Amino acid sequence: AQKVTQAQTEISVVEKEDVTLDCVYETRDTTYYLFWYKQPPSGELVFLIRRNSFDEQNEISGRYSWNFQKSTSSFNFTITASQVVDSAVYFCALSEANRDDKIIFGKGTRLHILP
Amino acid sequence: ETGVTQTPRHLVMGMTNKKSLKCEQHLGHNAMYWYKQSAKKPLELMFVYSLEERVENNSVPSRFSPECPNSSHLFLHLHTLQPEDSALYLCASSSWIGKPQHFGDGTRLSIL
Repeated sequence: AQKVTQAQTEISVVEKEDVTLDCVYETRDTTYYLFWYKQPPSGELVFLIRRNSFDEQNEISGRYSWNFQKSTSSFNFTITASQVVDSAVYFCALSEANRDDKIIFGKGTRLHILP
Repeated sequence: ETGVTQTPRHLVMGMTNKKSLKCEQHLGHNAMYWYKQSAKKPLELMFVYSLEERVENNSVPSRFSPECPNSSHLFLHLHTLQPEDSALYLCASSSWIGKPQHFGDGTRLSIL
């Protein structure tokens, strides 16, 4: 069965610190997509990244970086030099490639960036 | 159990049909959401309701018509859909807008 685990329910860090959000997934599929979404206080989910299971290269986008490790079934998300505007709930998600009938979300990690 | 129940799980319909998707939450939440998930696209927010009032409509075509009769139920009425509307439709709820969302399992919609 597919499963996404975000073990950190809530994290608080002081502004400018780096913070890593963990995501561990389970799937029997060989081809799948992994996602990270941000949910700011306004409520909507904001897409951050989608990663194909065949692409294990780490990705960096500004202050955001993602570490995909198939060997440990993890897709961790790091925010460098955090800012107050990064405060949000972050969701990790998993879906089977080329199938739109199933997407599994983790329970989310609430991130507080303290000024 | 997620607390958010969506029916039906699968729906196949022709372009001229009229059908409705149903979402029910048993969490005592006040905000509910409809999302569309296509195979190759990230999740798209369609509608947001808070206390049964629509607060957001992200330029969704009028062939999708939401209804929120009470804080526990949310419907998505469908009519004259197009093949590109085939997708997974996810419902979510949260205690208030901005609070963590709980997702249903989704309805897979196929338009013939």
